[in-house]
Amino acid sequence: NAGVTQTPKFQVLKTGQSMTLQCAQDMNHEYMSWYRQDPGMGLRLIHYSVGAGITDQGEVPNGYNVSRSTTEDFPLRLLSAAPSQTSVYFCASSSAGAYEQYFGPGTRLTVT
Amino acid sequence: SQQGEEDPQALSIQEGENATMNCSYKTSINNLQWYRQNSGRGLVHLILIRSNEREKHSGRLRVTLDTSKKSSSLLITASRAADTASYFCATNTGNQFYFGTGTSLTVIP
Repeated sequence: NAGVTQTPKFQVLKTGQSMTLQCAQDMNHEYMSWYRQDPGMGLRLIHYSVGAGITDQGEVPNGYNVSRSTTEDFPLRLLSAAPSQTSVYFCASSSAGAYEQYFGPGTRLTVT
Repeated sequence: SQQGEEDPQALSIQEGENATMNCSYKTSINNLQWYRQNSGRGLVHLILIRSNEREKHSGRLRVTLDTSKKSSSLLITASRAADTASYFCATNTGNQFYFGTGTSLTVIP
């Protein structure tokens, strides 16, 4: 099993550009989530999904969209990138009712 | 924010010594988890302790939980250079998870 995969590993965007961060898992997990990690802030939840077709907002959802059309994939869209979105983004997944989350390797995003 | 806080922010010890880090959180919980993050990597789940447990062991890890003080501690015994990493506590309210700010542990060989 590959676990949780994220692409790309690194990305540089200009202010105002849009892009999609990809996340996929092969463990048939129902729960998937996106976090951003900033220095001194720990991880903060952006959006999460408890199953295909169901998404909800986390702590810091503004400027981000998600969709969940399949169990395996949970892409994160930046609509109009801003320098404040410079961060490391992590995708995670877990089984329904389980609290242990499996994390991807992260995407380091810089917005100039 | 419901984010917890770890203490200390950074810890440096010699190999073989024990490392203790603490987590304080803000709301009532059903369980608390600890994760490790090696530099440049994603988080890895270490251990979960439920609210009705006061102590739990896993290998060289010992976790305690004091729900009256809303705090938890993670003890790593006989530390190794490979334990060098950041450690985070995490709690959840329903499907929303909240991570602390992390303790950066350096184990000097």
